Amino acid sequence: DGGITQSPKYLFRKEGQNVTLSCEQNLNHDAMYWYRQDPGQGLRLIYYSQIVNDFQKGDIAEGYSVSREKKESFPLTVTSAQKNPTAFYLCASSIGGPGTQYFGPGTRLLVL
Amino acid sequence: DAKTTQPPSMDCAEGRAANLPCNHSTISGNEYVYWYRQIHSQGPQYIIHGLKNNETNEMASLIITEDRKSSTLILPHATLRDTAVYYCIVRVASLRTGGGNKLTFGTGTQLKVEL
Repeated sequence: DGGITQSPKYLFRKEGQNVTLSCEQNLNHDAMYWYRQDPGQGLRLIYYSQIVNDFQKGDIAEGYSVSREKKESFPLTVTSAQKNPTAFYLCASSIGGPGTQYFGPGTRLLVL
Repeated sequence: DAKTTQPPSMDCAEGRAANLPCNHSTISGNEYVYWYRQIHSQGPQYIIHGLKNNETNEMASLIITEDRKSSTLILPHATLRDTAVYYCIVRVASLRTGGGNKLTFGTGTQLKVEL
């Protein structure tokens, strides 16, 4: 089956700890995205990548980092600099250009 | 991207058509109307999109007014599984990738389908 997978479904972070959220797609899409969603709110763009080894900051990149070493993978690291990391994190991909974005199931991050 | 306005909530009886409105009075000529939905605690699901003409697929129909300032998403026979938040998004479908394709989600319409 083609699609986007995110893991884990739930993730707990301790104070001062970096955590990495996984996003994998087998749709052969060039572009990948990370969004953050807070309760009752819409999605906000964190980072996006148009092609392997290239990525750009979105609207709320502070406290986050990404890498794009493979076309299929776009992991997101939530660093200790992100002071309010508790949120629902969504990964998406698209063919690129005007392509429709397709989303993964999401990872819910909670701070202990 | 143009801003959109949607009612915060709607109810619909199961088996009936659900008509979800969206106002986008500042839409530009090169902007598409996209609809996504998000079931609680899941990732958004693409439903349909269109530019000028009405569109239909296996999930829904999209009716865009002639002046393109508003649109309606129609779920022809709503079921309990259609209970979700529905987002209307207007964006330029340019040849640029990445940030040029950012989706700006508002707070959407919470559709509740009841027996």
